[in-house]
Order: sequence, then C-alpha cells, then structure tokens
Amino acid sequence: QSVLTQPPSASGTPGQRITISCSGSSSSIGTYTVNWYQQVPGTAPKLLIYNNDQRPSGVPDRFSGSKSGTSASLAISGLQSDDEGDYYCATWDDSLSGWVFGGGTKLTVL
Amino acid sequence: QVTLKESGPVVVKPTETLTLTCTVSGFSLSDARMGVSWIRQPPGKALEWLARIFSNDEKSYSTSLKRSLTISKDTSKSQVVLTLTNVDPVDTATYFCARIRRGTGMTSGYYYSYYYMDVWGKGTTVTVSS
Repeated sequence: QSVLTQPPSASGTPGQRITISCSGSSSSIGTYTVNWYQQVPGTAPKLLIYNNDQRPSGVPDRFSGSKSGTSASLAISGLQSDDEGDYYCATWDDSLSGWVFGGGTKLTVL
Repeated sequence: QVTLKESGPVVVKPTETLTLTCTVSGFSLSDARMGVSWIRQPPGKALEWLARIFSNDEKSYSTSLKRSLTISKDTSKSQVVLTLTNVDPVDTATYFCARIRRGTGMTSGYYYSYYYMDVWGKGTTVTVSS
C-alpha cells in the first residue's frame, strides 16, 4: 500500500477536463513539494509537473498542478487520446526519509 | 542533451547480488545542483523509490530495503552503481535511474529548496529466477 493515495482509475471523453487527486500526510505533502509523472505502458515515466504547479519546457499548458494542505491534484483539460496512460504523484516523506510515489492512476480516454 | 542509461544482468538467481550501473551524459555527477536516484517497477505495479546520491556523496535509501542496498558513484566515469544483495523473486522489476534536480523557490517571504526527478533512463528489466 502506497504512502500517497491516488484513485486507481480515471476516465473522460476527448475535450473534457479531469482531475486526479493525491492524498498524503503532514510528513509528506504537508511539508514538501509534489511532482507528477505520466507513464505510457512499456516506457519510462515522464515529468509533467514539479514544485506543485510548475511545467517543464515542452509540457502543454493543458496540464496543471495544485497543492493544498496534505493533498495535491493534477488537472488535464482538453483531454486527448494520447493522454492515456498511468499518472503518478511523488514527494519526499520525512517519516520514511525517502521519496514516495502514489499507487498510480490509470487514465482512459473514452 | 541529458541522457541516462541503465545496464546490468537480465537474470539473477535468488540469494545472489544484483549490480546495476547508470551511465549519465549531458551533466556532471559533481554538479551540486543535481543527483541520481534509482527507482524500480515490478510488472503491473507502481513505481518504488530505492536510493539516491548527490554530488557531495550524500546518500539516502528506502527504509524497507536499506539493509540490502548500496549506492555509489564514480564521477570520472559518469556512473552511478546500485547493488541489491540477497535478491528474491519479488525483486523482479524494471529498474530505472533518474536525474534529480534541485531548485529554489520562495513563499511567504522565505526561500525553500525543492527536488524533482526530471530525466529518466529507459530502464532495464531484471528477472530473479533459479
């Protein structure tokens, strides 16, 4: 069981906006910044969001992140078919003295 | 262009030691703003962080695997090595290395550091089987 809790699945139709939640604790999200990754099956994770809400160069502004208290969210607007994949949140956890990942959310574009 | 490439054995027998190498290019392991992490992913499962190392040789390990893991670096060779002792079939996974970057932000008038893994290798698949 992951230290960060994500819904196992999410879905939406093309053009729709969806959000994926990530719930942690005071020793993790409550203290440290959150990063988000997208992973297409069979490939390496790709950084989508860092420092809670910053997008790396090349990531479309359809992707946005936010954090409040001990939870964080990833929003994807204008959903596209190639957004399908697994999404992971990640942060540092003081109680474990290490990085922790969420259990992942499988996004399906209907 | 920043790249990381993992290498190591495809199959390892139970109780043996697994040694994986991450060869980096496009940045230096002596850069104080950067480090390297190892992460693994068992088939069909989530990502699991294993260890990290920074330029000053500061190291951190997953609490659950701390007794079995060792991370080290050879700056001159641009390589980071991870060893996992006494492997078990549950260690069957794809192993990734990733660059860690450190940034500085400001909020409510004070500065803070933040870290993120921005570039990942393609991963190397390891099967533990007799």
